[in-house]
Amino acid sequence: QKEVEQDPGPLSVPEGAIVSLNCTYSNSAFQYFMWYRQYSRKGPELLMYTYSSGNKEDGRFTAQVDKSSKYISLFIRDSQPSDSATYLCAMRYKAAGNKLTFGGGTRVLVKP
Amino acid sequence: EPEVTQTPSHQVTQMGQEVILRCVPISNHLYFYWYRQILGQKVEFLVSFYNNEISEKSEIFDDQFSVERPDGSNFTLKIRSTKLEDSAMYFCASSEAGGLSTDTQYFGPGTRLTVL
Repeated sequence: QKEVEQDPGPLSVPEGAIVSLNCTYSNSAFQYFMWYRQYSRKGPELLMYTYSSGNKEDGRFTAQVDKSSKYISLFIRDSQPSDSATYLCAMRYKAAGNKLTFGGGTRVLVKP
Repeated sequence: EPEVTQTPSHQVTQMGQEVILRCVPISNHLYFYWYRQILGQKVEFLVSFYNNEISEKSEIFDDQFSVERPDGSNFTLKIRSTKLEDSAMYFCASSEAGGLSTDTQYFGPGTRLTVL
């Protein structure tokens, strides 16, 4: 079983729709969870960071963590064509130091 | 807004040659990292560096790889004798506070390494 799994997509939505992304993980030691956005051939850009179960909101983005189910989600409201990118989840835990473990990414396409 | 920068953006080299990839982390950050992403695959951790020494490394980071902070601003990744399978995007990242719960890593735009 892979440590962190993400559906690769592509996920195609019309402009204005809610985009729903998720990751599952197998290692219950993971404590800190991040979502990055990556445009083609560019570096990952940090979107959201959370370390507790529950929801965290920032503008159009909501990150959700369910540690009991080992499941994290990212929701993008009022999606725009500029949101078209690959979304990567990443996570780490203290005993593993600062190493981030990434999911494979979900490609999102927002159609005008 | 401060950002991590990397040079060159694209490096083409022959198999067996040495390459040095350069990064300038965010200025008040103390922890530095290299990751790589082979085309179509996950971003993978290579190494982390703090206080002028390697703090962690992955199994990918073998004797062919080395890292250095030659001065107060640059952070480099050297691959001594490149192989075809080293072709990938290499990302530098930096963070302010290492393992603290609030710490987050910021990534540079990457260097695309092509080994022929």
